[in-house]
Amino acid sequence: GENVEQHPSTLSVQEGDSAVIKCTYSDSASNYFPWYKQELGKGPQLIIDIRSNVGEKKDQRIAVTLNKTAKHFSLHITETQPEDSAVYFCAASRVSKIIFGSGTRLSIRP
Amino acid sequence: ETGVTQTPRHLVMGMTNKKSLKCEQHLGHNAMYWYKQSAKKPLELMFVYSLEERVENNSVPSRFSPECPNSSHLFLHLHTLQPEDSALYLCASSLDTGEEQYFGPGTRLTVT
Repeated sequence: GENVEQHPSTLSVQEGDSAVIKCTYSDSASNYFPWYKQELGKGPQLIIDIRSNVGEKKDQRIAVTLNKTAKHFSLHITETQPEDSAVYFCAASRVSKIIFGSGTRLSIRP
Repeated sequence: ETGVTQTPRHLVMGMTNKKSLKCEQHLGHNAMYWYKQSAKKPLELMFVYSLEERVENNSVPSRFSPECPNSSHLFLHLHTLQPEDSALYLCASSLDTGEEQYFGPGTRLTVT
């Protein structure tokens, strides 16, 4: 079946450094790629998304890149801060179908 | 606050019990979703409703029965569950399918 692979599963970075999380997907019909952040005791919250007609999108310290040919997309967080510590999920979606990656636990070291 | 509320937040039930999870969205969205989140597994989409009609049912056992009486409310009826059904059950809504989803805080379910 269709799947989304997400790496790494855990990531620890020094405060102020950058963090990169990568995902690959198998369903070539996917056209919407959201990234969610989940903090302890809360539901996932969208932080950025990208559609298949765009290669890159940026929102302040967060950016997402998409390579449709290779079926890769990545999340980039620059100038990391303690409040960035959370679990991050990527997803690939088309219409009513959405498949999530297994998540990356990001820890920011002071 | 995301505009999506879920009750109860925690539920402990025996395998022979019947219970229901409730989700309500105050965002005027047309699509609603149920997800299962287990430890060390990806979020699993269970059901999708669009304009109160079920449009996705991802091979979910019949002991889980969804109900969408209107576009603001979604229920998940539970009966004769198994211990492996213990998980966090998340509800989400979006303006339409394929759009940004807003998640509720989830119901932590424990089956004993």
